[in-house]
Amino acid sequence: EAGVAQSPRYKIIEKRQSVAFWCNPISGHATLYWYQQILGQGPKLLIQFQNNGVVDDSQLPKDRFSAERLKGVDSTLKIQPAKLEDSAVYLCASSLEPGPNNSPLHFGNGTRLTVT
Amino acid sequence: DAKTTQPNSMESNEEEPVHLPCNHSTISGTDYIHWYRQLPSQGPEYVIHGLTSNVNNRMASLAIAEDRKSSTLILHRATLRDAAVYYCILRDPNYGGSQGNLIFGKGTKLSVKP
Repeated sequence: EAGVAQSPRYKIIEKRQSVAFWCNPISGHATLYWYQQILGQGPKLLIQFQNNGVVDDSQLPKDRFSAERLKGVDSTLKIQPAKLEDSAVYLCASSLEPGPNNSPLHFGNGTRLTVT
Repeated sequence: DAKTTQPNSMESNEEEPVHLPCNHSTISGTDYIHWYRQLPSQGPEYVIHGLTSNVNNRMASLAIAEDRKSSTLILHRATLRDAAVYYCILRDPNYGGSQGNLIFGKGTKLSVKP
């Protein structure tokens, strides 16, 4: 099966600019996650969708970050305006089952964002 | 915050077994123990998970202590491709949202020497 697709692979922007990342999950996967991974740390959950509804966005800095999942499939994560501390790898993951479960997460290879 | 404790780094020789430890002294009765690994420049990859009994799959084995306060991921014959950061994570499948989500710590960086 095709894996989780993310684009772009790399992005360099200046602070105060805006940027968007795109994710296409594995076909049929109900749940989609966005994680932020700062160099040297483990991934940190930003937001979780189930189909096209938000389940958990408690760690999302809502003053600058936004995310949507149209039609319960693809998702975009946007940062506006970007700060230097947003430099990180942004990982998208999906899992098959909706609701609470042990279904493994499948991760994409991420988008590496550098803010200068 | 992550509820598990792992060594920052470990070294292994190629073709030898590797035992990666994880302490989780505050584990609840409904927490499952999950392991993921992250190869360089890639996203994390699911390895294995279990509740009480030891588990085996094509990638690894998971040995869970009888009191469940610790567990060990076992790679039976390490290869150079197993060099990665290994994350031990507790997850409660009865909860959606933050309680049931994967909360990653810093993991253990495994180096494999030829």
